[in-house]
Amino acid sequence: EVQLVQSGAEVKRPGATVKISCKASGYTFIDYYIHWVQQAPGKGLEWVGLVDPEDTDPIYAENFQGRVTITADTSTDTAYMELSSLSSADTAVYFCAAGERQAVPDYWGQGTLVTVSS
Amino acid sequence: EIVLTQSPATLSVSPGDRATLSCRASQGVGSNLAWYQQKPGQAPRLLIYDASTRATGIPARFSGSGSGTEFTLTISSLQSEDFAVYYCQQFSNWPLTFGRGTKVEIK
Repeated sequence: EVQLVQSGAEVKRPGATVKISCKASGYTFIDYYIHWVQQAPGKGLEWVGLVDPEDTDPIYAENFQGRVTITADTSTDTAYMELSSLSSADTAVYFCAAGERQAVPDYWGQGTLVTVSS
Repeated sequence: EIVLTQSPATLSVSPGDRATLSCRASQGVGSNLAWYQQKPGQAPRLLIYDASTRATGIPARFSGSGSGTEFTLTISSLQSEDFAVYYCQQFSNWPLTFGRGTKVEIK
């Protein structure tokens, strides 16, 4: 069974950086792409970016370019999303998701709430 | 970026009835469209990809159709567990984009 288990909720000050993890199991880690998706409170889904664990070049949405870094550690089957220069607009649940096809996330983590507040 | 417009924003349906949800793309995406279901407090769940292919384990009452700019998700006979928000997502061009969602509520 494919499982993606994300790290716990975070509270950060404006201007800080947050790093969220996503531990994968139940499949061969390098076979699936990993996506990150943002969902602000009461809002819809916004794609942040993706990484191919076998590749060193992630793809990022322009809205997050320059502030986000997505990585994958094949030694621990864990993906990470780091978001810097946080503002209140970044307060959201962040989901990781995995898929065999590059652009269709099949399996989703439980989500990680990031709260940015002074 | 490609904008996806979903309609209606809210759909009130009685259990057992058919629900028809629409997704319109600002430019052609071929068949590169997926549908997701999201319940409160849960992660999205993939229902349909390639516009009309059901994901693993998805009941046959869910069906997708369309190509180009016009797409439809049909739930043939709504069950209690189907009341949720549904999102379409295109994967024709980067960045991947989602529609704003259609909430299916109990009438």
